[in-house]
Amino acid sequence: DADVTQTPRNRITKTGKRIMLECSQTKGHDRMYWYRQDPGLGLRLIYYSFDVKDINKGEISDGYSVSRQAQAKFSLSLESAIPNQTALYFCATSAPTETQYFGPGTRLLVL
Amino acid sequence: GDSVTQMEGPVTLSEEAFLTINCTYTATGYPSLFWYVQYPGEGLQLLLKATKADDKGSNKGFEATYRKETTSFHLEKGSVQVSDSAVYFCALRNSGGSNYKLTFGKGTLLTVNP
Repeated sequence: DADVTQTPRNRITKTGKRIMLECSQTKGHDRMYWYRQDPGLGLRLIYYSFDVKDINKGEISDGYSVSRQAQAKFSLSLESAIPNQTALYFCATSAPTETQYFGPGTRLLVL
Repeated sequence: GDSVTQMEGPVTLSEEAFLTINCTYTATGYPSLFWYVQYPGEGLQLLLKATKADDKGSNKGFEATYRKETTSFHLEKGSVQVSDSAVYFCALRNSGGSNYKLTFGKGTLLTVNP
């Protein structure tokens, strides 16, 4: 089984809808991250969490919110989706100062 | 702030050709450097890393040497295969207060033809 899983893998939604992307990990890491990937821009950090009670904004948090339900689960929500949020979203986990491990990604299309 | 600049692609090579993807960085302190690879339809996988100057990371025939004097971490492979076709990302993690954060380059698409 994969160490970092993301659901759904693909999602099409309409402008104004609320959607949630979910991430689970079995690596026992305290730190979890959400990134978005856009063509030609690399990966940019949306939110990160050092533990269940420690959540922080990244570079591009506007329009997004997160919830850390447990050590192993970190969800990303788009409260009111807009077309420029169309992107590939990745969850990652790590131990402090260690390598980050990435999930397979969720491809989101906002119409 | 920290930044990573890598050569723009796409890069197209024939099988068994030599590969170099350039990566330079700007950072305060003493960052760790990484190469990640993203195969079509998949997430990012760590390819190799180096944590201090003059370290060489290597994996699957790929190598990169941490050059502090030129602030570079170029990726090389002596003989590429079709299965190496992917997007390659150079990244750094600072050793200071922002050591949680990976800063990525924009990625380089490599296509290897048989």
